[in-house]
Amino acid sequence: DQQVKQNSPSLSVQEGRISILNCDYTNSMFDYFLWYKKYPAEGPTFLISISSIKDKNEDGRFTVFLNKSAKHLSLHIVPSQPGDSAVYFCAASANDYKLSFGAGTTVTVRA
Amino acid sequence: ETGVTQSPTHLIKTRGQQVTLRCSSQSGHNTVSWYQQALGQGPQFIFQYYREEENGRGNFPPRFSGLQFPNYSSELNVNALELDDSALYLCASSLGSGTPQETQYFGPGTRLLVL
Repeated sequence: DQQVKQNSPSLSVQEGRISILNCDYTNSMFDYFLWYKKYPAEGPTFLISISSIKDKNEDGRFTVFLNKSAKHLSLHIVPSQPGDSAVYFCAASANDYKLSFGAGTTVTVRA
Repeated sequence: ETGVTQSPTHLIKTRGQQVTLRCSSQSGHNTVSWYQQALGQGPQFIFQYYREEENGRGNFPPRFSGLQFPNYSSELNVNALELDDSALYLCASSLGSGTPQETQYFGPGTRLLVL
């Protein structure tokens, strides 16, 4: 039962442009959301998170937006850089230890 | 570099066998979680240990079991291996009791192939 969905398996973007990654969830109990980034042969690394009491959180080039009514969140990367080429996972938690992950979106930043 | 290591990096087993995967967390990290990532999917939560006690479990059968040791190392054991157990197994450690607000530091994973 996939409670977190990333419907775009891949995204290609030109260097310097904006990357927008989308994530949808079905469990209305989710109240904490995270994005992880994964390079080949490495484990996922934490990127940015947002609590359900907020609708936006920003950290440098990375901004996460949360739309609770639509059960949708997105990650914006501006400007995109070659080092941003990786797999990005959206994850969610219902105020407990268990993280539910999406299937990931592979981002390729073109020079 | 997260400071979390896993061994072995790759492993091949046959159906019905047993396997033990190992994880070494950062010193001081009291919580370790294990995840299974099948090909083309995101990581799925298996269970979590806090100070050597299991404090949460996902939808995995009892043949998946674990141990956490005082030296910040841990094990994932899988008995009676099935073909569908073929996956990347990730461990992640965190400082506190494992709440989602704590940053989890992932190891690079062990790739298990069951034939």
